[in-house]
Order: sequence, then C-alpha cells, then structure tokens
Amino acid sequence: ETGVTQTPRHLVMGMTNKKSLKCEQHLGHNAMYWYKQSAKKPLELMFVYNFKEQTENNSVPSRFSPECPNSSHLFLHLHTLQPEDSALYLCASSQASTARYEQYFGPGTRLTVT
Amino acid sequence: DQQVKQNSPSLSVQEGRISILNCDYTNSMFDYFLWYKKYPAEGPTFLISISSIKDKNEDGRFTVFLNKSAKHLSLHIVPSQPGDSAVYFCAANTGTASKLTFGTGTRLQVTL
Repeated sequence: ETGVTQTPRHLVMGMTNKKSLKCEQHLGHNAMYWYKQSAKKPLELMFVYNFKEQTENNSVPSRFSPECPNSSHLFLHLHTLQPEDSALYLCASSQASTARYEQYFGPGTRLTVT
Repeated sequence: DQQVKQNSPSLSVQEGRISILNCDYTNSMFDYFLWYKKYPAEGPTFLISISSIKDKNEDGRFTVFLNKSAKHLSLHIVPSQPGDSAVYFCAANTGTASKLTFGTGTRLQVTL
C-alpha cells in the first residue's frame, strides 16, 4: 500500500465503548497528525507527533488518547465519548513537524457516537 | 474565533470558465498559505501554496493570489474542468512549523 491509510473507515460506537482508530503511513515520514472535522467546521488539529514524541496537544479532552509506537503508526484511543465527538477524524503525515513540509492526509474515519 | 474563513460554502461554474475561490484570514502572523482539494471519501490533497513574500503563484491551471493588506487570498482555476469538482480548503501557517489552520472549505461544482 502507498500513502496514508486509516482503519476503520466508518465506526459507530456507544458512549460507554472503547475503540481505537489506526493510521499508517508508507511514506517514510517522521511526523504524524490527528485532525478532527466536524460538520460545517474547519479541520482542527488535535495532536502532533514528531519522531514518536508528542509535540502538540491542542487542548483535546482526555477521552481521546493518542499513541505513536513508531514513526509509521499512529493510534487514537477513544473511550466514553460524547455524541458531539461524532466527526471525521483525519490522520496526516509529513517529513517532520519542525518545518513547512507538505502534509499528506489519509481518507479519514467517519465516527458516529450514539 | 475562526482565523481562516471561507465565506462561500459552495460555488458552481461552467466547464471552461474561470473558478475563483476566496479565503480571508485574521491573523497577521500567518506567512504561508496553502490550498488543499478534497474528493469524497478521500483525504485532502495539497494543491498549491504561496509565501507571504509573493503576491502570486502559478501552477498550470491553478493560480493563487495573495493580498496581504486585505488579508485575502484567492485560488483561480482556468479553465475549469469537471474533474475539478471537489471541496477546496484554504489553510495558513506561521513560522517554520507545519501546524496548519484551515478554513471550512468551499464546494466547487463544475458543470458541463
């Protein structure tokens, strides 16, 4: 596979469930990002990892827990979510986060919280 | 408070004509601007960018214009093609880091 892949593509979960979103990049990049896109809102940066270290947490609630075991994989662990967390979650990668490298996005996971 | 605004949620243009997508920003610290294009069920893909030291950047059918005094940028697509039908996002960046601030997007439909 090439580029940035995300699984699952669609997820429906109850507020008491625990689930994880997975992102994998095959571009040899060292920075990975999680974005959230809610209806009629701009993409919002959630987390940034550079060389597996978290460099940015954009005031994201603790019910979202990121994990970056290596430069190619990024997870977003979800627990006790709220209906307003329903959104498109996009993963991106770039060569590094310390400079203006182009970001490559995955197709996203459409999350619905019931 | 949105720092990057795309006030037109949608735009319809005939094939062969010019498409003009607009973007306004409020943060005067932004010095690098990008346009991304998104098809349904796909992630956004980078289209074209411009640094604040320039007022125009051209790449084939796509040209981005920057008016720093008005804090306004626009993307021109000419001639428009049906394959250009997508959602276009404006994004801005400060300094050297790659943290992007996005607009809400404009859905462009190019009709035959």
